[in-house]
Amino acid sequence: KAGVTQTPRYLIKTRGQQVTLSCSPISGHRSVSWYQQTPGQGLQFLFEYFSETQRNKGNFPGRFSGRQFSNSRSEMNVSTLELGDSALYLCASSLALAGSTGELFFGEGSRLTVL
Amino acid sequence: DQQVKQNSPSLSVQEGRISILNCDYTNSMFDYFLWYKKYPAEGPTFLISISSIKDKNEDGRFTVFLNKSAKHLSLHIVPSQPGDSAVYFCAARKRGGNKLVFGAGTILRVKS
Repeated sequence: KAGVTQTPRYLIKTRGQQVTLSCSPISGHRSVSWYQQTPGQGLQFLFEYFSETQRNKGNFPGRFSGRQFSNSRSEMNVSTLELGDSALYLCASSLALAGSTGELFFGEGSRLTVL
Repeated sequence: DQQVKQNSPSLSVQEGRISILNCDYTNSMFDYFLWYKKYPAEGPTFLISISSIKDKNEDGRFTVFLNKSAKHLSLHIVPSQPGDSAVYFCAARKRGGNKLVFGAGTILRVKS
């Protein structure tokens, strides 16, 4: 079955712009999480959605937001981009909230470069 | 605060030998511990997990050991293969959801 699909894979923006990233989870998966990976901070949790509701949020400013649609697809938005927002943004899906193995399935990520 | 730590940035092992990757945690509110493998420009790939109530879990060449009193877990890969060369992340799941806290990663190089 198809894995987690993230679009776009690569994008370049300038400071002050905004960006929207999209994630389609594995068919049947209802939980979607977002992570940011940077060389300095590693992999950091942004937020998690389940049944269109945000269930968990990481320590990121309000410029980072997300949503989940009724088909479980998710988007995240970053407004007023800063240079430090350059990162690989990873989406992960899971069948349920707090599943029995803890496993999350990750997409290949969206590489954002802010100039 | 770093709740999950991987203190070895890199590890080099000869093909066929055992690779041991280590991870320490500080928070007792984790219910699962996981290991992920990652190649550059790709998403992490799940390897193996262990429940906080278990001591050991095996899957083929991969075994994870959990020492709750020491708040320490390790991943053993036997035998190591060149294709195992990648970055390995230790992660811990907070109870009640799917939020994972990741370590900084360890680069494993398996030499042939």
